[in-house]
Amino acid sequence: AQSVSQHNHHVILSEAASLELGCNYSYGGTVNLFWYVQYPGQHLQLLLKYFSGDPLVKGIKGFEADFIKSKFSFNLRKPSVQWSDTAEYFCAVNPMAAGNKLTFGGGTRVLVKP
Amino acid sequence: GAVVSQHPSWVICKSGTSVKIECRSLDFQATTMFWYRQFPKQSLMLMATSNEGSKATYEQGVEKDKFLINHASLTLSTLTVTSAHPEDSSFYICSARRPGQVNEKLFFGSGTQLSVL
Repeated sequence: AQSVSQHNHHVILSEAASLELGCNYSYGGTVNLFWYVQYPGQHLQLLLKYFSGDPLVKGIKGFEADFIKSKFSFNLRKPSVQWSDTAEYFCAVNPMAAGNKLTFGGGTRVLVKP
Repeated sequence: GAVVSQHPSWVICKSGTSVKIECRSLDFQATTMFWYRQFPKQSLMLMATSNEGSKATYEQGVEKDKFLINHASLTLSTLTVTSAHPEDSSFYICSARRPGQVNEKLFFGSGTQLSVL
């Protein structure tokens, strides 16, 4: 079955450390890709998205993601995290052939220690 | 693991009819569920927060009389699109929060693609 996989369920790191969250998907055609974040007690917010063009996507709050089509990956990165980056991060894929349908990965909970 | 079931996956309806979408948490009690909508080439937009036993909280710009939300039990929230019009055609997805101080986590349904003719 087609799916979206996030490799890490939990990540714990210290402030100023670099963060990379993996996301792989199994759809073969053209896709739109998203990373969302949910801060404690809040609803989902969009971090960044890829529709076309430059595969290196820059989002809000210093996040960026790299679309590697050959690897079916869309990994999220931040060079230096802050305590306020503690949240749950979700990768989501919208295959163009599926209309607007969005499939989420299982999420990665990130805890940044002050 | 926890599962959120959303039904139906696809629905096609005539303009002016109403459509009900169900969101169930299968193995946990969800006091809070969220309903989102996605239009083509856009990101998810939160429509409303559904709270068990009380009225839903709607986001600005979302018509509460058009998008009726009922969260009558701890495992079921429903979204009813009343008098649907073609502009309501979209992808709707729910999520449910599994409570717990340590393990609180958000789970997503598989979404519903609504097409209004």
